Amino acid sequence: DGGITQSPKYLFRKEGQNVTLSCEQNLNHDAMYWYRQDPGQGLRLIYYSQIVNDFQKGDIAEGYSVSREKKESFPLTVTSAQKNPTAFYLCASTTLGGRNTGELFFGEGSRLTVL
Amino acid sequence: AQSVTQPDIHITVSEGASLELRCNYSYGATPYLFWYVQSPGQGLQLLLKYFSGDTLVQGIKGFEAEFKRSQSSFNLRKPSVHWSDAAEYFCAVGVGGNTPLVFGKGTRLSVIA
Repeated sequence: DGGITQSPKYLFRKEGQNVTLSCEQNLNHDAMYWYRQDPGQGLRLIYYSQIVNDFQKGDIAEGYSVSREKKESFPLTVTSAQKNPTAFYLCASTTLGGRNTGELFFGEGSRLTVL
Repeated sequence: AQSVTQPDIHITVSEGASLELRCNYSYGATPYLFWYVQSPGQGLQLLLKYFSGDTLVQGIKGFEAEFKRSQSSFNLRKPSVHWSDAAEYFCAVGVGGNTPLVFGKGTRLSVIA
């Protein structure tokens, strides 16, 4: 089945530790995205990548880092510099070019809790 | 830049009643418009989308939405709500050209017996 796989689904970490969230897609999509979701805040864009080895900051990139070494994979690292990392993180992907409308396909999310 | 407003943070409806969730956007031209639904602890699922043409679009699970250019709105409707419709609903706007979608803050729907 084609889709987007995020792991782990739940993650607990101590304050000051870096954590990496995995996102893999087998849809052959060009672009991948990371969103952060907090209650009442909707989805806020952290980073996105439209091509391998390139990525752009979104609205709330501070304290996060990403890499895109393969088309299928877009891991997100939540660093110790992120002031309030406890949140629900969503990965998404889409095709580009042609008559692209930007429609996103989402993974099931990862909930990070920092203790 | 485009923006989206969902005026209602939380709506409660009775099972079997009709539903309308509001969405207003800001953009100089006709955007691409989407409604997504999210169950607790899950990812987002696309309900329906508008690109062009007929302004009334049908989606999954019995939902429909109407694009009204004059009001910059794309409201989501369902004639008879089921308890399983309780979820959070997000409106999103896209402008093409590989620009990321912009999401509203969501409307949480509760359904009571």
